[in-house]
Amino acid sequence: DTEVTQTPKHLVMGMTNKKSLKCEQHMGHRAMYWYKQKAKKPPELMFVYSYEKLSINESVPSRFSPECPNSSLLNLHLHALQPEDSALYLCASSPGTGPYNEQFFGPGTRLTVL
Amino acid sequence: QKEVEQDPGPLSVPEGAIVSLNCTYSNSAFQYFMWYRQYSRKGPELLMYTYSSGNKEDGRFTAQVDKSSKYISLFIRDSQPSDSATYLCAVSQGGSEKLVFGKGTKLTVNP
Repeated sequence: DTEVTQTPKHLVMGMTNKKSLKCEQHMGHRAMYWYKQKAKKPPELMFVYSYEKLSINESVPSRFSPECPNSSLLNLHLHALQPEDSALYLCASSPGTGPYNEQFFGPGTRLTVL
Repeated sequence: QKEVEQDPGPLSVPEGAIVSLNCTYSNSAFQYFMWYRQYSRKGPELLMYTYSSGNKEDGRFTAQVDKSSKYISLFIRDSQPSDSATYLCAVSQGGSEKLVFGKGTKLTVNP
């Protein structure tokens, strides 16, 4: 299995809802990432988990809460989002974190906040 | 000054053309240089990566890095309509998990 899977593919939520995005990989990778990508913009790093510990938080608002229950799974919990949070949320994984590790991206979850 | 600059295009070429995509970067600490391809509504996929200066070839794709001028390039030979996508350059420092992406160049190859 050489892919990163993400569910759901699409999500529409209101500003008062709580929802979660899920990411899974079975490549034995020990680093996992969340990115946010707005239309016609490059991916922007949000969080990095290395060996199931949060190693990078790019000053992301607390309405986004990451969780790494085990080395294969990464969640992003969403609460009280704003319409400007609508974007493609990409998950990626890599074998480790240095000196160079190719990041494999999932297809993304397209989130719309009403 | 942004860390990575990339002309967003769009770039439109006829089938069979040689395509040249470029990025510049500002931080000399960057050591790893990557090109990702992203089809519409999909996640990015790694095409090429290069460590330090030099050339790397893979089929119709050639990546070049010139660290002295902080310039990275991707050449696509005999371009095909299936190459139509957004191409993103990305750079990272050694030992860092963080990729810094360029804006991406949207390429269309016309049959």
